[in-house]
Amino acid sequence: GQQLNQSPQSMFIQEGEDVSMNCTSSSIFNTWLWYKQDPGEGPVLLIALYKAGELTSNGRLTAQFGITRKDSFLNISASIPSDVGIYFCAGRTGNQFYFGTGTSLTVIP
Amino acid sequence: GAGVSQTPSNKVTEKGKYVELRCDPISGHTALYWYRQSLGQGPEFLIYFQGTGAADDSGLPNDRFFAVRPEGSVSTLKIQRTERGDSAVYLCASATSGTETQYFGPGTRLLVL
Repeated sequence: GQQLNQSPQSMFIQEGEDVSMNCTSSSIFNTWLWYKQDPGEGPVLLIALYKAGELTSNGRLTAQFGITRKDSFLNISASIPSDVGIYFCAGRTGNQFYFGTGTSLTVIP
Repeated sequence: GAGVSQTPSNKVTEKGKYVELRCDPISGHTALYWYRQSLGQGPEFLIYFQGTGAADDSGLPNDRFFAVRPEGSVSTLKIQRTERGDSAVYLCASATSGTETQYFGPGTRLLVL
């Protein structure tokens, strides 16, 4: 199957700091997605990207669809405690969604 | 409105037993997906339904896994002769056909002893 590599694997940051994480793939995707998953819950969609080079924001979150269509990044500005969780990237090919391994974010108040 | 619900929330079974996991999608959502999430990993695609039919079942790991959606709403994932390696969280998601916004349920945590 498709391999999506996320980095970093985990992050420990101070409240108020900005966060950046990225995702790379060996394959091209037509759609990139970013999700957040809290413990005991399913993932929740944060941002969807549909075109190479697209830059999209959702509040304090900004994500970009890489020009090569093989990568994407997610930035979170001015982090707050409720940003804690695991962030997953996902790429879509046809009807299938391939998820990355996740970035675990801890925000220290 | 009600989100995606999954039952049971937890299931403990013995190796070799048969289990059924249920997913109730959001009303009106024609697309339904099953994923398996192992500890420390992202969700892994298993099967996709569009209406009553399995449009893509290429993610099912072997013939012990089977899923149905007879009336185009509720879906059941069935695992025969369970193995310890089947232990994982099984997630269900539904979506309006043709969109990327999948709404995930809380998952069923399956533990095979």
